[in-house]
Amino acid sequence: SQQGEEDPQALSIQEGENATMNCSYKTSINNLQWYRQNSGRGLVHLILIRSNEREKHSGRLRVTLDTSKKSSSLLITASRAADTASYFCATDAVGYSTLTFGKGTMLLVSP
Amino acid sequence: EPEVTQTPSHQVTQMGQEVILRCVPISNHLYFYWYRQILGQKVEFLVSFYNNEISEKSEIFDDQFSVERPDGSNFTLKIRSTKLEDSAMYFCASSRTSDQETQYFGPGTRLLVL
Repeated sequence: SQQGEEDPQALSIQEGENATMNCSYKTSINNLQWYRQNSGRGLVHLILIRSNEREKHSGRLRVTLDTSKKSSSLLITASRAADTASYFCATDAVGYSTLTFGKGTMLLVSP
Repeated sequence: EPEVTQTPSHQVTQMGQEVILRCVPISNHLYFYWYRQILGQKVEFLVSFYNNEISEKSEIFDDQFSVERPDGSNFTLKIRSTKLEDSAMYFCASSRTSDQETQYFGPGTRLLVL
């Protein structure tokens, strides 16, 4: 079965720095989505990138997708303390609509 | 902005009791999902629902679980006889179509089985 796996598991940076998180998966996908979760709270959708796209931007977020390497990265530029959260990638396999989540990267942004 | 809502936000129940978790998906969405997240673990897919039928389900979704869309707005997950290991955060999600579309998640219901 496919599996999204993020690295690093945890990332600690200072405000103003950029944060890069990576995700790898195993099977062919329709889309890859990134979600954010504040501690013990719900999942907030950040960005969706389709399998035929290579890069997408949304505000301070930049997502890349390399289907040949089955990997994606999420870059948060000029991070803020409020960006502190866990970030998950989720993929849906070709022919399925269900999402498979990775374990997530816990990001801590210190003021 | 429309959002998925879930009730209750927290539920505590005794082992063996039935629980019903409720969700109101986004109004023009056609596909509905339940996921769960055991504390400290990955978010896991349980079931998807379309056109008043289950379209996909995972191994987790055994006979103890059922889903229903009792009216035009609610989508429920019932756990017939709860076990300790059912303790988790349960998320409802909805999407407009089945693929190439964002799934929007509700805030979750935290279920604790004692």
